[in-house]
Amino acid sequence: TQLLEQSPQFLSIQEGENLTVYCNSSSVFSSLQWYRQEPGEGPVLLVTVVTGGEVKKLKRLTFQFGDARKDSSLHITAAQPGDTGLYLCAGSLGGDYKLSFGAGTTVTVRA
Amino acid sequence: GAVVSQHPSWVICKSGTSVKIECRSLDFQATTMFWYRQFPKQSLMLMATSNEGSKATYEQGVEKDKFLINHASLTLSTLTVTSAHPEDSSFYICSASREYSYNEQFFGPGTRLTVL
Repeated sequence: TQLLEQSPQFLSIQEGENLTVYCNSSSVFSSLQWYRQEPGEGPVLLVTVVTGGEVKKLKRLTFQFGDARKDSSLHITAAQPGDTGLYLCAGSLGGDYKLSFGAGTTVTVRA
Repeated sequence: GAVVSQHPSWVICKSGTSVKIECRSLDFQATTMFWYRQFPKQSLMLMATSNEGSKATYEQGVEKDKFLINHASLTLSTLTVTSAHPEDSSFYICSASREYSYNEQFFGPGTRLTVL
């Protein structure tokens, strides 16, 4: 069983549309990261959230950490083909430096 | 900053041979490095955690004698797949964390291993 449940598994949208990816758990995380991975490459860190209720923006990407630090979301506004990739959430339970990864969401943005 | 490299980027070997993969942090000292394995269209699975100068900690189900990890310096960790078999074919990715920033991991570009 995955500690972090990501949804949806796949997302295909038209350029210009908005999308949201969710990451949920029954565990409380000390921090949560979002990564984007392209085929044949390693994941690239997008953001780290550490405070419950925290909202971070990175251009057209908005990341939110739940108040209870059990869930997070990634929202992309006006998606572009360059946003295509595998989005992974990963959390640290604290004290333990290991990251638990979600199963990932494959996002395809059609031109 | 926080660049991690891996070498080689891909390798093809015969069954029974050993393969060494290097992971380097280029612009920071990595107190901890992690090795992951990723199958097609799946997420990352942690294999082991290594700290400089000490033995690696392996995840349950990962054979330590099969996947030898050495973390000899603060910028280099190596993973050796010994007596490789076709089922070891996979995408191997390392990551490194900086001192005082353990929750963030910076990933290498990965190594595609194909065992014939």
